[in-house]
Amino acid sequence: QVQLVESGGGVVQPGGSLRLSCTASGFTFSNSGLHWVRQAPGKGLEWVAFIRYDGSDKYYAESVKGRFTISRDNSKNTLYLQMNSLRAEDTAVYYCANNFGVVDFHYWGQGTLVTVSS
Amino acid sequence: QSVLTQPPSASGTPGQRVTISCSGSSSNIGSNTINWYQQLPGTAPRLLIYSNNQRPSGVPDRFSGSKSGTSASLAISGLQSEDEADYYCAAWDDRLNGWVFGGGTKLTVL
Repeated sequence: QVQLVESGGGVVQPGGSLRLSCTASGFTFSNSGLHWVRQAPGKGLEWVAFIRYDGSDKYYAESVKGRFTISRDNSKNTLYLQMNSLRAEDTAVYYCANNFGVVDFHYWGQGTLVTVSS
Repeated sequence: QSVLTQPPSASGTPGQRVTISCSGSSSNIGSNTINWYQQLPGTAPRLLIYSNNQRPSGVPDRFSGSKSGTSASLAISGLQSEDEADYYCAAWDDRLNGWVFGGGTKLTVL
């Protein structure tokens, strides 16, 4: 079965950096586009970033453009999100999700919590 | 303020039929397909409907989706207590060059 497992969350000071990872199994990772989606405490879902199956194209939400970088290592079945210049408003649970065929956000991980606080 | 507009709440009694709306514009719902997601309390979102009206395997046929112009709807018939959750719509936006989610609708089963 498809599994997406996020890791790397934690507490970081404003202006700091953090790298999230998402390790995948149960599907052909190198054929699948991948997303990061976040959810601030008590709030709705916000799409953050997307990377094509081969890493050739990347898309970002305006709120993170220039601060966050999405990348992937198909040899390790792992997706990354490098987050720099973190702000309090970046505090959220971060989910990775995959595209499966023509379906966006088909499977989701359980999420990892990032807290930006001094 | 979300690009896709959903009512913040909806409710119904067991057995009833409930609909949740999602309103957008020509750059998102008007020109792209829409998906719906269910998020049970304390869990990750789960795909409910894709490509406007398609159900993934494992989703009961009590759940259905439709789209007309720049709006879409999720219908839940034969409402059950386990349907109590948050529901989100999502679509690609041609103008923003990214995906957008609705603000979410909290469904309460009375």
